[in-house]
Amino acid sequence: ETGVTQTPRHLVMGMTNKKSLKCEQHLGHNAMYWYKQSAKKPLELMFVYSLEERVENNSVPSRFSPECPNSSHLFLHLHTLQPEDSALYLCASSYGTASYEQYFGPGTRLTVT
Amino acid sequence: GDSVTQMEGPVTLSEEAFLTINCTYTATGYPSLFWYVQYPGEGLQLLLKATKADDKGSNKGFEATYRKETTSFHLEKGSVQVSDSAVYFCALSDPPSSNTGKLIFGQGTTLQVKP
Repeated sequence: ETGVTQTPRHLVMGMTNKKSLKCEQHLGHNAMYWYKQSAKKPLELMFVYSLEERVENNSVPSRFSPECPNSSHLFLHLHTLQPEDSALYLCASSYGTASYEQYFGPGTRLTVT
Repeated sequence: GDSVTQMEGPVTLSEEAFLTINCTYTATGYPSLFWYVQYPGEGLQLLLKATKADDKGSNKGFEATYRKETTSFHLEKGSVQVSDSAVYFCALSDPPSSNTGKLIFGQGTTLQVKP
């Protein structure tokens, strides 16, 4: 595997389910990010991790819970989501957080029913 | 706060036409500026970047110049191809001193190139 991978690529879940999104980077980076991409809205930064510590949390509802066990893996745990949470969730990584180029994964298309 | 504004799409062009996608920004500091491209079903890929005023970023025939006086970073290509059809995002980053890694994106502009 190369670059940034995300699994699953598609996920349909009910509002009472609990699921997790996984991101893995094979680039030796030490910063990782979660973004939300909704139709007709700019990408929204959700979380930033640098050296496995959360450095940014953009007022994201608590039903989204990130986890970064090491510099190569990032998870987004989901529970009791709302239909308006349906979106493309993108993971990205970079060498550092100081204006370094971010490399994106293909995203997980989430549908909440 | 900082923001990025792009021209509304979709932009529809014939192959070999000249492309301009406008991007303007508002920032309190001296951000770096980026253009990302998203092909159907894929994540975003960095297309080009510029880190200071008057820098020109270029890649794959695309160019953009960091214009501080007009706070703009317009994307241009002299001759588009069908394979350039995608969504293009202009973005700025917080200054390095902030160390947040925060990218602020425009809403994206869809480009459709017809044969």
